[in-house]
Amino acid sequence: AQSVAQPEDQVNVAEGNPLTVKCTYSVSGNPYLFWYVQYPNRGLQFLLKYITGDNLVKGSYGFEAEFNKSQTSFHLKKPSALVSDSALYFCAVRDGGNRGSTLGRLYFGRGTQLTVWP
Amino acid sequence: KAGVTQTPRYLIKTRGQQVTLSCSPISGHRSVSWYQQTPGQGLQFLFEYFSETQRNKGNFPGRFSGRQFSNSRSEMNVSTLELGDSALYLCASSSGTGAFEAFFGQGTRLTVV
Repeated sequence: AQSVAQPEDQVNVAEGNPLTVKCTYSVSGNPYLFWYVQYPNRGLQFLLKYITGDNLVKGSYGFEAEFNKSQTSFHLKKPSALVSDSALYFCAVRDGGNRGSTLGRLYFGRGTQLTVWP
Repeated sequence: KAGVTQTPRYLIKTRGQQVTLSCSPISGHRSVSWYQQTPGQGLQFLFEYFSETQRNKGNFPGRFSGRQFSNSRSEMNVSTLELGDSALYLCASSSGTGAFEAFFGQGTRLTVV
């Protein structure tokens, strides 16, 4: 079964410090991994994805994510946090090897609330 | 390029009523998925449509239904509304499945009273 875990409900970091939002996943086939951000009363905004290739993926707004196959993780990172990064972050996975049953469906984690304080 | 458009943004309905939500995907996108977001359950998959065909359905009762039109626009309908149906309903469009990212609309906030 496909699933995503975001072990931290909340992450707090000071502005200018590096941030990490953790994500682990479980799929039966090859994972297609995504990060989304959600601001209050808004939809989800796509940040970045991992399909194949380089384990370090760069995305929007200075975010990057590191894919680790052995640890089945896909942690979101940013070298220097901004107050404006404060939002709800979701990790999601599609099973690339089981298209017959899951097709376009995304499996989401519960979300991590990131707060960056000045 | 216009994004995913969901209408209406906000709805207040009474228990027992029915509601129809609309989603216009990004031009050229043929895949549309719907998700329900609540504080308690998080993001839950409702269904997915591709070229007017429902290809995948989540674990929701039959009161939840949807369809997709030939122009890829999609609607979802909830009949006999219950208080627990209060949620943010999100529509996502994609040019395909697998490696293609989904783009989400702003959502429709449904409140059932």
